[in-house]
Amino acid sequence: KAGVTQTPRYLIKTRGQQVTLSCSPISGHRSVSWYQQTPGQGLQFLFEYFSETQRNKGNFPGRFSGRQFSNSRSEMNVSTLELGDSALYLCASSLGSQNTEAFFGQGTRLTVV
Amino acid sequence: AQSVAQPEDQVNVAEGNPLTVKCTYSVSGNPYLFWYVQYPNRGLQFLLKYITGDNLVKGSYGFEAEFNKSQTSFHLKKPSALVSDSALYFCAFVMIYNQGGKLIFGQGTELSVKP
Repeated sequence: KAGVTQTPRYLIKTRGQQVTLSCSPISGHRSVSWYQQTPGQGLQFLFEYFSETQRNKGNFPGRFSGRQFSNSRSEMNVSTLELGDSALYLCASSLGSQNTEAFFGQGTRLTVV
Repeated sequence: AQSVAQPEDQVNVAEGNPLTVKCTYSVSGNPYLFWYVQYPNRGLQFLLKYITGDNLVKGSYGFEAEFNKSQTSFHLKKPSALVSDSALYFCAFVMIYNQGGKLIFGQGTELSVKP
């Protein structure tokens, strides 16, 4: 069974640009969550999508957005990039209920210069 | 606010010795607790979870964790450490909302196992 696939693995962008990251969950998983990992803030929840609907959003500015498609694949977008957006962005897929484990992709390393 | 805490930034262990990575929680109700491991430049890998039932939970790669309600702890343990266990370990709980849940992570503990 294929794992969670995130593309691209690495990105370098300039301040003010926008970026789109992609996540393909494990087959059969309907929940996709996104997390940001930085040395200073650790792992922080961005948002979760379940059956194409955003179920919850973390405490991030509106520049961070996402969506989920009918095949459960998800994208997240960050507009007007800032230096502080440099981070490892992790996608996790799960069956969607509260007590099931999440399976993480390898992440996308975003560097904003 | 509900949270989990990992009081040690780093744990150093000699290969073959037992290891413990500590986690305490401040969560209302019955917590859903997890341990994940992260190797360099990789995503997180699930190790084990506690939902309900036996307080001793066995997981992947020989790891286990003990849920202690009176001490609000969920320490990760392994009887005999391997050099390959060196990685970043995260304790987490699920914050429940809208029929879903989001993982709230501790700050992570760097485990270093020396030969």
